[in-house]
Amino acid sequence: EPEVTQTPSHQVTQMGQEVILRCVPISNHLYFYWYRQILGQKVEFLVSFYNNEISEKSEIFDDQFSVERPDGSNFTLKIRSTKLEDSAMYFCASGPTGLQPQHFGDGTRLSIL
Amino acid sequence: KNEVEQSPQNLTAQEGEFITINCSYSVGISALHWLQQHPGGGIVSLFMLSSGKKKHGRLIATINIQEKHSSLHITASHPRDSAVYICAVRNNAGNMLTFGGGTRLMVKP
Repeated sequence: EPEVTQTPSHQVTQMGQEVILRCVPISNHLYFYWYRQILGQKVEFLVSFYNNEISEKSEIFDDQFSVERPDGSNFTLKIRSTKLEDSAMYFCASGPTGLQPQHFGDGTRLSIL
Repeated sequence: KNEVEQSPQNLTAQEGEFITINCSYSVGISALHWLQQHPGGGIVSLFMLSSGKKKHGRLIATINIQEKHSSLHITASHPRDSAVYICAVRNNAGNMLTFGGGTRLMVKP
């Protein structure tokens, strides 16, 4: 069965550094999402992406964050200048439409030192 | 903003027991998702429903739109069902999901 794959599984970065989290969605899916889960807390929506542009974003997704689909297969989340509070598990998800169940990747654990 | 509450937060059951996890939300929605999060952190979508009832194997999900409430039932529970079960709702406008805090289920042999 096709899967959403995320790399790396664990990223350790110094505070203030830029980090790029990578995702390969399922190939025929058109909707892409990023979520985060701070340890011990709820999963939170960050952003949805469709037709090469952001379709929706949450209050968390400020100017420090950006998303890109650089080559038609990868979907990336960039955090420009990381803060300690960005430490979390980041999940990518994709769906064939906006109305069907999303398929989640296994997540990238981001640790900011 | 939709408030999504799940109960119980933690649940321990003996193998074979029938399990019910509840989810309530505050604002009308277009769909509700039940997700399973494994100890390693990975998330699997179990159901998406907007009305009535769905069944997949030993799992049953129901939703009552008028009461803004959904339940996830597990029949003949098994230790491999041990996981965190998360309810998430999609609001009427857009695709954004709002998540509940999860129910941590442990099924003992």
